[in-house]
Amino acid sequence: NAGVTQTPKFQVLKTGQSMTLQCAQDMNHEYMSWYRQDPGMGLRLIHYSVGAGITDQGEVPNGYNVSRSTTEDFPLRLLSAAPSQTSVYFCASSSIGTGVITEAFFGQGTRLTVV
Amino acid sequence: GENVEQHPSTLSVQEGDSAVIKCTYSDSASNYFPWYKQELGKGPQLIIDIRSNVGEKKDQRIAVTLNKTAKHFSLHITETQPEDSAVYFCAAAYTGGFKTIFGAGTRLFVKA
Repeated sequence: NAGVTQTPKFQVLKTGQSMTLQCAQDMNHEYMSWYRQDPGMGLRLIHYSVGAGITDQGEVPNGYNVSRSTTEDFPLRLLSAAPSQTSVYFCASSSIGTGVITEAFFGQGTRLTVV
Repeated sequence: GENVEQHPSTLSVQEGDSAVIKCTYSDSASNYFPWYKQELGKGPQLIIDIRSNVGEKKDQRIAVTLNKTAKHFSLHITETQPEDSAVYFCAAAYTGGFKTIFGAGTRLFVKA
């Protein structure tokens, strides 16, 4: 019963480097999303997807790209890392019940530090 | 834009006492209000939710209430235990919106 799996758990990047945070879910959920968590600011939505081939921007999308080629996977790409992207990143998946997201499941998070 | 305010930011209670966390939302279209518990080093976990057609929902020691007119909703934890210590987040979403807005979180300490 894996749920939502994120890799890696920890990562240190140098400014300007690129990398991909991986997220996979095994619950056949239509909806997947990426959040960043910063002290005192709760969880802020970066990008989300309501199904394979469909993605959209959240509250803080700049500097991040996503794609959704399969139902299971939703990778988050940092094109050119900046210190402001130092954060804890969470991937989540949900079923879409009657048009509203329900029963969200979160991964364990990726702690990213950009130096 | 949409906003969810959460209070207090920190709450300390004695074991066995009750804890109440309050949230206010700005978007009147919001009709789904989940609550999450986040333990140290883990991702948030959905613990209870409420829809706008319900005023109150209870699950063992936790309950949520919703006042649509005032745009307030609250989490109530009774008979608190040390394992209730965590960060709690409220959130708001609406049908067809696909964007959940989170409060800033409340760090709850339950002292044994």
